[in-house]
Amino acid sequence: KAGVTQTPRYLIKTRGQQVTLSCSPISGHRSVSWYQQTPGQGLQFLFEYFSETQRNKGNFPGRFSGRQFSNSRSEMNVSTLELGDSALYLCASTGTGNTEAFFGQGTRLTVV
Amino acid sequence: GQQLNQSPQSMFIQEGEDVSMNCTSSSIFNTWLWYKQDPGEGPVLLIALYKAGELTSNGRLTAQFGITRKDSFLNISASIPSDVGIYFCAGQSAPGNTPLVFGKGTRLSVIA
Repeated sequence: KAGVTQTPRYLIKTRGQQVTLSCSPISGHRSVSWYQQTPGQGLQFLFEYFSETQRNKGNFPGRFSGRQFSNSRSEMNVSTLELGDSALYLCASTGTGNTEAFFGQGTRLTVV
Repeated sequence: GQQLNQSPQSMFIQEGEDVSMNCTSSSIFNTWLWYKQDPGEGPVLLIALYKAGELTSNGRLTAQFGITRKDSFLNISASIPSDVGIYFCAGQSAPGNTPLVFGKGTRLSVIA
């Protein structure tokens, strides 16, 4: 059974640009959560999607958005990038009725 | 928001030694999860705990769900070099769709 797949693995963007990250969950998992990981703050919850609907949202500005497709794949978008957005962005998928979250390898975003 | 206090922040141990780390919260959790993250990778689920007092093992790893439901412990016995990494605790405060809350991690270094 394939794990959670995130693309791309690495990205370099300049300030002001926007970026889209992709996540394919484990087959059969309908919940996808996104996290931002930085050395100082640890894993910070961005949002969670279930059946194409945003079910939970963390405390991030509106520049961070996401969506989920009918096949449960999810994308997150960050607009007007700032230097502080440089981080490892992790996606996790969870089976219905379950708590155990399984993570992808992450996308390392560097904003210059 | 809810916070998990994870300690110690880092530890240096000799190969073969046992390791203990813990996570505490000011509020009650229904689920505790322990993850390990290697450099440049996403966190990997090690152990999941669902009941107060539960003690669960996974090889040389043992984790316990505290009876107050406000803490959890992870022990690693007879550490080996590949145990190096960052260990995270995560908790869910209510059953259902509540997002996981993560501790800031314990960085483990093993000296051969």
